[in-house]
Amino acid sequence: GNSVTQMEGPVTLSEEAFLTINCTYTATGYPSLFWYVQYPGEGLQLLLKATKADDKGSNKGFEATYRKETTSFHLEKGSVQVSDSAVYFCALRNTGNQFYFGTGTSLTVIP
Amino acid sequence: DADVTQTPRNRITKTGKRIMLECSQTKGHDRMYWYRQDPGLGLRLIYYSFDVKDINKGEISDGYSVSRQAQAKFSLSLESAIPNQTALYFCATSGKGSLGEQYFGPGTRLTVT
Repeated sequence: GNSVTQMEGPVTLSEEAFLTINCTYTATGYPSLFWYVQYPGEGLQLLLKATKADDKGSNKGFEATYRKETTSFHLEKGSVQVSDSAVYFCALRNTGNQFYFGTGTSLTVIP
Repeated sequence: DADVTQTPRNRITKTGKRIMLECSQTKGHDRMYWYRQDPGLGLRLIYYSFDVKDINKGEISDGYSVSRQAQAKFSLSLESAIPNQTALYFCATSGKGSLGEQYFGPGTRLTVT
């Protein structure tokens, strides 16, 4: 079947700290992988994506690399800011165009 | 104007009442989805539709129904609301093509008392 597992939160970091949020997936075929971000009171917004193995998605200083050999798509940022405080969701889209989301990881960045 | 809109944004209703949540999109996408979000459970798919004549059940369709009135409109109904349907509901759309990421509405917070 298809599923996404991401690290549980909440995660609390100081400003300028390094961020990693782990995500692993199970899928048949070759899925596309996504990270979405949800700010308080809002819907999910696409943060970055990767469609094939070894692709690196990047946006706003965040990066994630599609690792087929480890079935992972870990989110990283070198220096987080207070404005990065949000809930982050890892997701996959399978070859049948269905989407599967992880449970979300809450990030709080303190000044 | 937002590409994906949902009405109402907040709703409180009583057990046993029928309620409809509406979603409209201006992105021209064929595919539309309804999810519910619960703390600690992430997003779970209720129903999805790949075009006007195509409706599919998702992971948790029991107690819900949907109607795709037009390409741009996809409504979710709770025929007889119950308290464990209290949640945040999101509509999303996606287009055809190799990337096909989803675009989400702002959500509807539903409380069933």
